Amino acid sequence: EAQVTQNPRYLITVTGKKLTVTCSQNMNHEYMSWYRQDPGLGLRQIYYSMNVEVTDKGDVPEGYKVSRKEKRNFPLILESPSPNQTSLYFCASSPRGDEKSYGYTFGSGTRLTVV
Amino acid sequence: AQSVTQLGSHVSVSEGALVLLRCNYSSSVPPYLFWYVQYPNQGLQLLLKYTTGATLVKGINGFEAEFKKSETSFHLTKPSAHMSDAAEYFCAVTPYQKVTFGTGTKLQVIP
Repeated sequence: EAQVTQNPRYLITVTGKKLTVTCSQNMNHEYMSWYRQDPGLGLRQIYYSMNVEVTDKGDVPEGYKVSRKEKRNFPLILESPSPNQTSLYFCASSPRGDEKSYGYTFGSGTRLTVV
Repeated sequence: AQSVTQLGSHVSVSEGALVLLRCNYSSSVPPYLFWYVQYPNQGLQLLLKYTTGATLVKGINGFEAEFKKSETSFHLTKPSAHMSDAAEYFCAVTPYQKVTFGTGTKLQVIP
């Protein structure tokens, strides 16, 4: 089944403790992206990647890091999480150059709570 | 820069009634437009999209949307609401690589 898999689904952590949210897709998509979803704000892009070793900032990159060493994986790293990063996170992917026309395939989300 | 405005963060309809969710966009170039649906505790699922060609597009679950350039709108409709349509709906626009989402509209269907 074609899908985007995120782990974990739920995570509670403490301020300052580094964490990684994994994202993997099995569709050979070049384009991958991370979004956070907050009530009343919709989805805001954190980082995106056009291909292996090519990443760029979205609208709200502060406090996050990403890497794209393999085509299928696009982990989101919070090196020193803070409570304002409590949110629902989504990973999404799309064929390269066609993200405009195909639309995204989304993962099921990771609900992160930072206390 | 592009933007999306969804009018109404919450919409309630009776089962069997018309569903109308409003989306207006701004874009400096011809846009591609999307509607996504999010069911509780799930990710977003593509409902329908407009790229080029026919301005009335049909999607899954009986939904359709019409691209009106003169009104910069892409409203989502369904003739008859079903209980299973209760979800949050997001409009999105992308003139280039970047996709911008609206803030979402939660649809409640009343039996």
